Amino acid sequence: AQKITQTQPGMFVQEKEAVTLDCTYDTSDPSYGLFWYKQPSSGEMIFLIYQGSYDQQNATEGRYSLNFQKARKSANLVISASQLGDSAMYFCAMREISSGNTPLVFGKGTRLSVIA
Amino acid sequence: NAGVTQTPKFRVLKTGQSMTLLCAQDMNHEYMYWYRQDPGMGLRLIHYSVGEGTTAKGEVPDGYNVSRLKKQNFLLGLESAAPSQTSVYFCASSSIGTGKNEQFFGPGTRLTVL
Repeated sequence: AQKITQTQPGMFVQEKEAVTLDCTYDTSDPSYGLFWYKQPSSGEMIFLIYQGSYDQQNATEGRYSLNFQKARKSANLVISASQLGDSAMYFCAMREISSGNTPLVFGKGTRLSVIA
Repeated sequence: NAGVTQTPKFRVLKTGQSMTLLCAQDMNHEYMYWYRQDPGMGLRLIHYSVGEGTTAKGEVPDGYNVSRLKKQNFLLGLESAAPSQTSVYFCASSSIGTGKNEQFFGPGTRLTVL
């Protein structure tokens, strides 16, 4: 069974600094996808970034990048130049692909607080 | 496009009452999902559907039923609500295919069972 672990319940970062949110995963499927979502205090779930297990390069989307270390089964989210609006819950999620479009399995999340 | 919508946004029930949560999507997605979010637990899958007329159990299906009579709608039912079902419920949908098929989420329904 697939599993996602986020070991940091809460993180603080100074505005304009970079921050790394940790995510490790466990799966026996060689084909899988990794996702990061942001949930601000308003409650909506916002898709940030995706990394496929066979992608050769680490994914990047603006200030977001995914530090994908396949051998270590980690998919850490890096946010550069933090802004006050980055304060939110962040969820790592995974989908196993070999058996089709399976639902995402989520980690428990990390609450990021950006300090001015 | 409205994306994924959920009705109602808030609800308070008494133990033993029943209710149905409605999810609708206008993106012609095949797949739809119901999750619940509890503090410190992340999002846990309740039930999901891979197409009209089909449903499947997720991680925490007990106490819930679902129906997908129309492609655009996915209903979540609580037949006899319990305080343990107090939670925020999210519906999501995604298109066919594998890989980068992100799930689009609705705004959530906050349910309190007294």
